[in-house]
Amino acid sequence: GEDVEQSLFLSVREGDSSVINCTYTDSSSTYLYWYKQEPGAGLQLLTYIFSNMDMKRDQRLTVLLNKKDKHLSLRIADTQTGDSAIYFCAESIGGGFKTIFGAGTRLFVKA
Amino acid sequence: ETGVTQTPRHLVMGMTNKKSLKCEQHLGHNAMYWYKQSAKKPLELMFVYNFKEQTENNSVPSRFSPECPNSSHLFLHLHTLQPEDSALYLCASSHPGQGASNEKLFFGSGTQLSVL
Repeated sequence: GEDVEQSLFLSVREGDSSVINCTYTDSSSTYLYWYKQEPGAGLQLLTYIFSNMDMKRDQRLTVLLNKKDKHLSLRIADTQTGDSAIYFCAESIGGGFKTIFGAGTRLFVKA
Repeated sequence: ETGVTQTPRHLVMGMTNKKSLKCEQHLGHNAMYWYKQSAKKPLELMFVYNFKEQTENNSVPSRFSPECPNSSHLFLHLHTLQPEDSALYLCASSHPGQGASNEKLFFGSGTQLSVL
């Protein structure tokens, strides 16, 4: 079955690192994604990782992929109040037009 | 501005009404999608169109009827909805066949639907 799971809520202090975790079930996933949704807006792609990689860094963002455990994480360094949003983990299945999303993790950053 | 525009932004309708949601993309993409977003639930893929042809219907009830007249426009026709259909309906587009860009989705801001 196709399933993406992530915790619903994370609260951090400004300046700390945030780590958002996700597990997925489909081993045929080609790409795994992190999308960000700000209030009143649609989802925007934040970063992605190809399934044969185990880490990707992009400025304050670090994505870690453990393919054996089907675990994906997003680390945001030096978290700012502007990072407050909902973060969705997603996997694309089998090269088709099917991207499966989790329920989103709401990140709350305390000043 | 993502290049994907959805109208209306908000819609309130009774269970006997008929209404339509509209999506337009200005990105030259070939594939368009409808997703349903409900609180605390995974984003649900509803329909996928590629070059105007429907490639995915994720067991969506027939009270939701999609229409894709061309690669730039996508509609979702609604009739005799139920209160549990209240949700944020998101449209997205993509340009398949470009590797990672293949399935990279560009979303509109959504239509917040309330069914009374």
